[in-house]
Parts: sequence; structure tokens; C-alpha cells
Amino acid sequence: QTVVTQEPSFSVSPGGTVTLTCGLSSASVSTSHYPTWCQQTPGQAPRTLIYNTNIRSSGVPDRFFGSILGNKAALTVSGAQADDESHYYCVLYMGGGISVFGGGTKLTVL
Amino acid sequence: EVQLLESGGGLVQAGGSLRLSCAASGFIFSNYAMNWVRQAPGKGLEWVSAIGAGGSTTYYAESVKGRFTVSRDNSRNTLYLEMLSLRADDTAIYFCARGVSGVASVDVWGQGTTVTVSS
Repeated sequence: QTVVTQEPSFSVSPGGTVTLTCGLSSASVSTSHYPTWCQQTPGQAPRTLIYNTNIRSSGVPDRFFGSILGNKAALTVSGAQADDESHYYCVLYMGGGISVFGGGTKLTVL
Repeated sequence: EVQLLESGGGLVQAGGSLRLSCAASGFIFSNYAMNWVRQAPGKGLEWVSAIGAGGSTTYYAESVKGRFTVSRDNSRNTLYLEMLSLRADDTAIYFCARGVSGVASVDVWGQGTTVTVSS
């Protein structure tokens, strides 16, 4: 069974920079997995920040940057703001029409 | 403005059925694959199903295969999810999401509709 791994939690200071990662239990993540990053605050629908590894969705500020770092997908948030405090989910395309979400990272800004 | 609006959620007994709808507007619906994603109470997101732009290719998570059927009516700009033999662990908010790069990524989400399965 494919497991997509994310840090359960992370904290960043206001104005700081943080990099969240998204890995696979038994393989390296590549652009062929079309890594997508979604942000979700409690009680709200998810919002896609980054898709296809590094393409920002409409209206997403360039403080959010997607990349491949080593064998993982990564989301870097720079100039962290209070309203960046959310859950961040990555989803990877596994081929054959199947996608798998990671368990999410709770980002705290303090 | 691109919008997705889910409907059809509700309370159903275990073993029952439900059909969800997702009405799309603001884009050429027939050009895009679509996905269903769910979120159980207090849990993370789970990909459920996807359908190609033309409707002829469908994909399912193992947890729903054989019980759920995804379909679409491009003339009505609407996506559907037929759910049979519902179980308590199907209780979740169900979101539809527009696909990008085929079914490989998602870029726009609806607000979700809540399904509660009572045992």
C-alpha cells in the first residue's frame, strides 16, 4: 500500500521561512507524480496552492513555492503570516488514475 | 468565475444509497477531468474517484471500488457520485475538484456536501 508521508506538524515565526515536505514510503517523488499542495483552514474547503510540482494556482502569492528537494516534493512558505496557519496537504498521482493524499501538516505561525 | 457546487448529501442508514451532484460553472466543463475527495470528521483528505473529461474513463480508491460510481453529464455541466451499500466509515464531507493535467492534479474545489451514515 502506497503511503504518502508528511510532517505531522511544523512551526514558523512570523516573517520566517519554512519548508514542508511530501515523500513516499518506498520510492522517490518526482515530477511524474504531479505533486499538488492544498491548504485547508478549519471549517473551510481545501484550496490548491501549487499543482504540477511548481505551478501556483490563480491568486496564490509568490510566497508559496513548490519544488522537488532530493527525493521529496517540497512546499516553501516565505514571509510567513498569521493567516498561513493552516493544514497543508500534498497529493501525489500514482498513475492509473489513482491519487493519494498525505496525512497533512499542521503549520503553526508563532 | 470558476465555481463548483456540491449537493445531495444527507443522513442515510448503513446499507443505503445516495447520489451526490457537483454543478460546475465559469469554465468549459467538458474540457476537464473531475475528482471526488472526501474528509471524515477530524481526519485528513482522501481521494475517492476521478473521471476523464469525456466521461469514458473512471477511477476509484480501493475503499469505494464496487460501491461508488462516478459519472458526468457534460450537457448539464454536472458531475455525479452514486454511492451504494454505504457504511459508517463513508461518513464525510465530499468535495468535488477540477482536474488539471488530466486526472493528475486538482486546481479548484467546491465547498463540499456532508454525508452521514448511521449504523
